[in-house]
Amino acid sequence: QVQLQESGPGLVKPSETLSLTCTVSGGSINKDYCSWVRQSPGKGLEWIGYIYYSGNTKYNPSLESRVTISVDTSKTQISLKLRSVTAEDTAVYYCAREGGTSWRAFDIWGQGTLVTVSS
Amino acid sequence: DIQMTQSPSTLSASVGDRVTITCRASQSIGIWLAWYQQKPGKAPKLLIYKASSLESGVPSRFSGSRSGTEFTLTISSLQPDDFATYYCQQYNSDSRTFGQGTKVEIK
Repeated sequence: QVQLQESGPGLVKPSETLSLTCTVSGGSINKDYCSWVRQSPGKGLEWIGYIYYSGNTKYNPSLESRVTISVDTSKTQISLKLRSVTAEDTAVYYCAREGGTSWRAFDIWGQGTLVTVSS
Repeated sequence: DIQMTQSPSTLSASVGDRVTITCRASQSIGIWLAWYQQKPGKAPKLLIYKASSLESGVPSRFSGSRSGTEFTLTISSLQPDDFATYYCQQYNSDSRTFGQGTKVEIK
């Protein structure tokens, strides 16, 4: 059973780059898409972007200028970089698989990691 | 961008009640809509995909339907474990958008 786990610094300074990794265990994302989603404290869910196993990406237009999502050659680590962060980027960040059997609905999620932007 | 309008934002109900949550898309998304359940401090959980397909392991009291650009999640008989926040999500073409969420509270 594929599992996802997010990791990275829990505290980032304003104007710096937020960097997170989603590690896939129990398999890989071969032939799958993976998305990053975030949730500000007490708020709803916001899609950040997705990556296909081949490396093709698509981003939320509201974040596109600051976001890069990449995948390693083993297809077991998906990275998120968000540049020039502000306090508004404080959120729990999730990675999620867009499953084939669920026709690309988000069928597997990581547990999420809280990132706080503060000096 | 495709906008998803979800209603109500909060719903108070009792165990055994039939509960309905609605999501409307700002343009056609076909059948590409999913429903998720989220409990405090936890990641969302997929309930329904392709508007009406039940995810494996999800109780049959959950169901989804579509009428044009309006989508509905129905819980036929609310159980104690169902008190949570529910989100719709469109995944048409290359974009994804979530609704604002519906919190189902104990009446």
